[in-house]
Amino acid sequence: EADIYQTPRYLVIGTGKKITLECSQTMGHDKMYWYQQDPGMELHLIHYSYGVNSTEKGDLSSESTVSRIRTEHFPLTLESARPSHTSQYLCASSELAGELFFGEGSRLTVL
Amino acid sequence: DAKTTQPTSMDCAEGRAANLPCNHSTISGNEYVYWYRQIHSQGPQYIIHGLKNNETNEMASLIITEDRKSSTLILPHATLRDTAVYYCIVRVEGGGNKLTFGTGTQLKVEL
Repeated sequence: EADIYQTPRYLVIGTGKKITLECSQTMGHDKMYWYQQDPGMELHLIHYSYGVNSTEKGDLSSESTVSRIRTEHFPLTLESARPSHTSQYLCASSELAGELFFGEGSRLTVL
Repeated sequence: DAKTTQPTSMDCAEGRAANLPCNHSTISGNEYVYWYRQIHSQGPQYIIHGLKNNETNEMASLIITEDRKSSTLILPHATLRDTAVYYCIVRVEGGGNKLTFGTGTQLKVEL
C-alpha cells in the first residue's frame, strides 16, 4: 500500500490568491514528481525532484514552483492563482525506476 | 523515448479476459514497457513492466512480441472495478524515473 498524501483534495479559490498544495510520502523515496491533468486529458509532468535540494522543471511549462527541503515533503506553490491554473495536480514518488506511487490528487478551481 | 499507440477505447464483458494492445514499433533495445491504469481521475496505479520476457503478477500479465514492437496487457478475469484508462509507457533504461503518459485506452467492463 502506497503512503503518499496530498492536501487539500479540493480547493476553490479566487484569482490572485497564493496557494500551496502539499504532498507528503512516508516511504523514504528520494524521487518525487508533480503532474498536472485537465479533465479527460493527458497527465503532464510539471516538476520533479531526485532528492533534497534538487528540483527540476518537467515537460510542461508551469507558473508553479516547488521546493524539496525534506525527503518526505514536496509542496507546490502558485504565487498568484488564475483561472487558467484550474486543474488536477497529482503528486507521485518512486524508488525503483519507472514504478511511481501516486497520491489521490488535488483538484484546484480558480474563480 | 519511443512513442506508443493504443486504441482509444475497448469494451469487455465481466469475467472475460481483457486484452489491451500497445504498439511501440520504434522501441530501442534498452527501453522498458510499463503499464499503469487510472480509475476515474484518481492517481494512476502501476500494474506491471517488462523488457523482453513475458511477465505476470497478481494484477495482470504482459506479453511482449519477440521483435518488441508491440505488447499486450492481459487482465485474465476482468471485473467492473477494472474499468479505467490504461496507459502503455516506454521508458529508457538510465533515462531517469520520469514517465510520459499518453492518452491511453479507456477500458469499460460491462455485465
